[in-house]
Amino acid sequence: DAGVIQSPRHEVTEMGQEVTLRCKPISGHNSLFWYRQTMMRGLELLIYFNNNVPIDDSGMPEDRFSAKMPNASFSTLKIQPSEPRDSAVYFCASSSGLRVSGELFFGEGSRLTVL
Amino acid sequence: DQQVKQNSPSLSVQEGRISILNCDYTNSMFDYFLWYKKYPAEGPTFLISISSIKDKNEDGRFTVFLNKSAKHLSLHIVPSQPGDSAVYFCAFTGAGSYQLTFGKGTKLSVIP
Repeated sequence: DAGVIQSPRHEVTEMGQEVTLRCKPISGHNSLFWYRQTMMRGLELLIYFNNNVPIDDSGMPEDRFSAKMPNASFSTLKIQPSEPRDSAVYFCASSSGLRVSGELFFGEGSRLTVL
Repeated sequence: DQQVKQNSPSLSVQEGRISILNCDYTNSMFDYFLWYKKYPAEGPTFLISISSIKDKNEDGRFTVFLNKSAKHLSLHIVPSQPGDSAVYFCAFTGAGSYQLTFGKGTKLSVIP
């Protein structure tokens, strides 16, 4: 079975450019999460979708960040314009319910470097 | 205000010995506790969990202990193997919550 698939794995861009990160969750999972990992803050939740609907975006740092889930098999996280402080590893994760399986399934992450 | 603290950023253990990873939390609403393992260039993977109604859960070489009064969670790995070398994150959630709050991780190195 395919796990959570993220692309690109690595992205290097210049400040001010638009960045789009993509995620395909595990088929049948109805919850999707975007996390960001940095040395300073660890793993922090950016946004949570349930059945394709954004439920909680309180973790999105600012208006430069936006996320969409147009269907059950695809989500994007966009940063526009990007800044050096956005450099981090961005993880997408999906689940069928934390209390059902007790776990999130993470993708391999997208490492973003903004110069 | 950190709700979850993993105070040891790193830990080195000899192969065959016990590894003990610790986590402290402050939020008394947490009632489900998990450990994730992360290898370099990979996403975190679920390892083991425990609910607040228990104080111990075992899965092979891995045992998680919960001390609710002390708000302390620990993971024991016995015996430790070189393949256990990874970053370990504790994670917590509360009743009805969808959100996991993660610690910052402890890097475990098991020396052959």
